[in-house]
Amino acid sequence: GQQLNQSPQSMFIQEGEDVSMNCTSSSIFNTWLWYKQDPGEGPVLLIALYKAGELTSNGRLTAQFGITRKDSFLNISASIPSDVGIYFCAGGGGSNFKLTFGKGTLLTVNP
Amino acid sequence: GAGVSQSPRYKVAKRGQDVALRCDPISGHVSLFWYQQALGQGPEFLTYFQNEAQLDKSGLPSDRFFAERPEGSVSTLKIQRTQQEDSAVYLCASSLGGAYNEQFFGPGTRLTVL
Repeated sequence: GQQLNQSPQSMFIQEGEDVSMNCTSSSIFNTWLWYKQDPGEGPVLLIALYKAGELTSNGRLTAQFGITRKDSFLNISASIPSDVGIYFCAGGGGSNFKLTFGKGTLLTVNP
Repeated sequence: GAGVSQSPRYKVAKRGQDVALRCDPISGHVSLFWYQQALGQGPEFLTYFQNEAQLDKSGLPSDRFFAERPEGSVSTLKIQRTQQEDSAVYLCASSLGGAYNEQFFGPGTRLTVL
């Protein structure tokens, strides 16, 4: 099935550094969401975006809904060890409300 | 409970066996979704319910897969005559519905078919 183009695939950073990851699609979405998944658990919702151009923050996380509605990015500032995990973007808002996910970005934070 | 719950968390089946996976959504959530997540991949859509009505089942891989939500709350995903390629994590998500598209996921059921 279709999956969004998410990059980078993995990142290794030092504690305290900022992180940026992005997601692109050939299709327009009305909603962009960002999730974090820890091993053996389901994805946990971080940020939801509903309007093109929207910039939303949740603590150290900031996400933007691209104005073309075909992309989104997520920034994490001042990373900490518990930020380790897999981050997924997801596009949605079609008539059936299903989400289309990226393949994920694996984030490793070295303390 | 406060979140989406799924059971069992782990299931091992012999090829050819039938399995049933259960999802308890967040109370009051109208919409319920099933996704399949292969190792190293993002979740992929299987099917969608609004209350008890199954409005989209376009993601179900074959007619061996069947989902139901008879009373508009608990849902069951059934896989008949399991095959090795069915091995994956099966995730359930629920949302308030309508234009509110924030989906909240359960912990998943890891199915291994031997």
